[in-house]
Amino acid sequence: KQEVTQIPAALSVPEGENLVLNCSFTDSAIYNLQWFRQDPGKGLTSLLLIQSSQREQTSGRLNASLDKSSGRSTLYIAASQPGDSATYLCAVSPSYNTDKLIFGTGTRLQVFP
Amino acid sequence: DAGVIQSPRHEVTEMGQEVTLRCKPISGHDYLFWYRQTMMRGLELLIYFNNNVPIDDSGMPEDRFSAKMPNASFSTLKIQPSEPRDSAVYFCASTARPADEQFFGPGTRLTVL
Repeated sequence: KQEVTQIPAALSVPEGENLVLNCSFTDSAIYNLQWFRQDPGKGLTSLLLIQSSQREQTSGRLNASLDKSSGRSTLYIAASQPGDSATYLCAVSPSYNTDKLIFGTGTRLQVFP
Repeated sequence: DAGVIQSPRHEVTEMGQEVTLRCKPISGHDYLFWYRQTMMRGLELLIYFNNNVPIDDSGMPEDRFSAKMPNASFSTLKIQPSEPRDSAVYFCASTARPADEQFFGPGTRLTVL
């Protein structure tokens, strides 16, 4: 059974820092991996989607990498801002059913001025 | 497009009552997903539809839960009878293609007293 874990569960950093959020999954047979952002009381917003054949994806200050063989992904946020404060979730689409997403437990990020 | 629309945004009900949650997916999206989010279990897939047909309902916790999609623009998730442990945030999401980026609604926060 695919399990997705995110470390750390919570992170508090000063504005301007570069930071890394980690995601690990137990079964390397994935179709793709997505990173989402969730603001309090709101739904999820997709940030980046990495296909299993790709190593990384970039969008603005965000960079996500994927090492499928080791079951790991990282989300790198450059020059963090208070507006980046949110919960970040990763989710994998397993190869046995590419329609589905299995979500991690999330990392709650706070960036203070 | 207005995005995925869910109603109501908040629902407070008493144990034993019937609860109906509603979702309107993004026009043209053939896949619709219902998720439940709790502190204890995170984000879990309950059921998903393709072209209005339920494909996988293995995440539906009990027979008290049922979901329908009578047409391409409307879906309901019903709980009857409701119990306090059903208290959670219920999200609806849609996508145009399998394993593509999913678009989430704002969620319905359900409280069962």
